[in-house]
Amino acid sequence: KQEVTQIPAALSVPEGENLVLNCSFTDSAIYNLQWFRQDPGKGLTSLLLIQSSQREQTSGRLNASLDKSSGRSTLYIAASQPGDSATYLCAVRPSSGGGADGLTFGKGTHLIIQP
Amino acid sequence: DAGVIQSPRHEVTEMGQEVTLRCKPISGHDYLFWYRQTMMRGLELLIYFNNNVPIDDSGMPEDRFSAKMPNASFSNLKIQPSEPRDSAVYFCASSQRTDSGANVLTFGAGSRLTVL
Repeated sequence: KQEVTQIPAALSVPEGENLVLNCSFTDSAIYNLQWFRQDPGKGLTSLLLIQSSQREQTSGRLNASLDKSSGRSTLYIAASQPGDSATYLCAVRPSSGGGADGLTFGKGTHLIIQP
Repeated sequence: DAGVIQSPRHEVTEMGQEVTLRCKPISGHDYLFWYRQTMMRGLELLIYFNNNVPIDDSGMPEDRFSAKMPNASFSNLKIQPSEPRDSAVYFCASSQRTDSGANVLTFGAGSRLTVL
């Protein structure tokens, strides 16, 4: 059974710092990996999706990398801002089922950016 | 499009009562997912549908839980009878398979259920 682990569980940094969030998964047979953001009391917003054949994806100040063989992904946030404060979740989709199966989520990293 | 719409946003009920959660997916999306989120277990997939047909319900915790999708624009999740341990936030998400095979989910705002 796929397990997704995110470290750290919580992180608090001053505004302006660059930071890295980590995600690891136990089964490397994945179709893709997604990073989501969740604000308090809200649903999830997809940030980046990396297909299993890709190494990284970038969107603005966000960069996500994927090392499928080692079961790891990182989310890099550059020049952090208070508005980046949220919970960040990593999720993987299994390669079985042609990539249509449901996602397995980590428990998230709760990020606080101090003004 | 208004996105994935869930109702109710909040529900407080007593143990033993029936609970019905509703979801309207994004028009044109052919996949619909029900997730449950708790502090202890994080986000767990309960069931998902493709073209209104249940594909995988292995995440449904017990027979007290059931989900249906009578048409492409509506799904409901029922808990009968409800128990305090069912207290959680229930999310509905929908997606459409792209040519690249990506299946980006759009989540609703969730239904927060409290069973007393």
